[in-house]
Amino acid sequence: NAGVTQTPKFRILKIGQSMTLQCTQDMNHNYMYWYRQDPGMGLKLIYYSVGAGITDKGEVPNGYNVSRSTTEDFPLRLELAAPSQTSVYFCASSYLSGGQFFGPGTRLTVL
Amino acid sequence: AQKITQTQPGMFVQEKEAVTLDCTYDTSDPSYGLFWYKQPSSGEMIFLIYQGSYDQQNATEGRYSLNFQKARKSANLVISASQLGDSAMYFCAMRDPNFGNEKLTFGTGTRLTIIP
Repeated sequence: NAGVTQTPKFRILKIGQSMTLQCTQDMNHNYMYWYRQDPGMGLKLIYYSVGAGITDKGEVPNGYNVSRSTTEDFPLRLELAAPSQTSVYFCASSYLSGGQFFGPGTRLTVL
Repeated sequence: AQKITQTQPGMFVQEKEAVTLDCTYDTSDPSYGLFWYKQPSSGEMIFLIYQGSYDQQNATEGRYSLNFQKARKSANLVISASQLGDSAMYFCAMRDPNFGNEKLTFGTGTRLTIIP
């Protein structure tokens, strides 16, 4: 049971490039989330999903897109990367109202 | 709108002493959940403890307990008999019942350093 896995661990992008951050969970959780954590700050919700085929915006969705075609996978797409998107990105999952389990994070730098 | 406040940016505590990390929250909804997470220097987020707004008793998980004072809107984390491995960032978070019932709002965190 691997829990929540994220790839890549680190990435450097140039301004205007695009990329997809991958997230997979093997706990059969219906809820999945994407957060970003800026230096010295708490986490802010980007997007979340309550099940396959259902996604909704969080607190800071601009510049990102998500899809949820399966229960296990919840990729986060960055289009036209900007320096303001330099952050650590965390994927998480939960079953209904339980605690959220987090992946190890992806450290993204946009230069 | 809801808000989580952690007023202690950093704390230094002697090993084996008990630690209290402060968290206050603000919400108008009677149904909510409160969480504490630990983030070591390695960066992962580790779920520690959960308290529901209707729970009659304070939550406990091993050396962690949550001092829940509903009238004061506070949810302080208590770590008993602190250990060197407890050195980390600690985040308080609240579940937003009006946002799909699962959105978490995080505080800015407290950096705890345990001194040998």
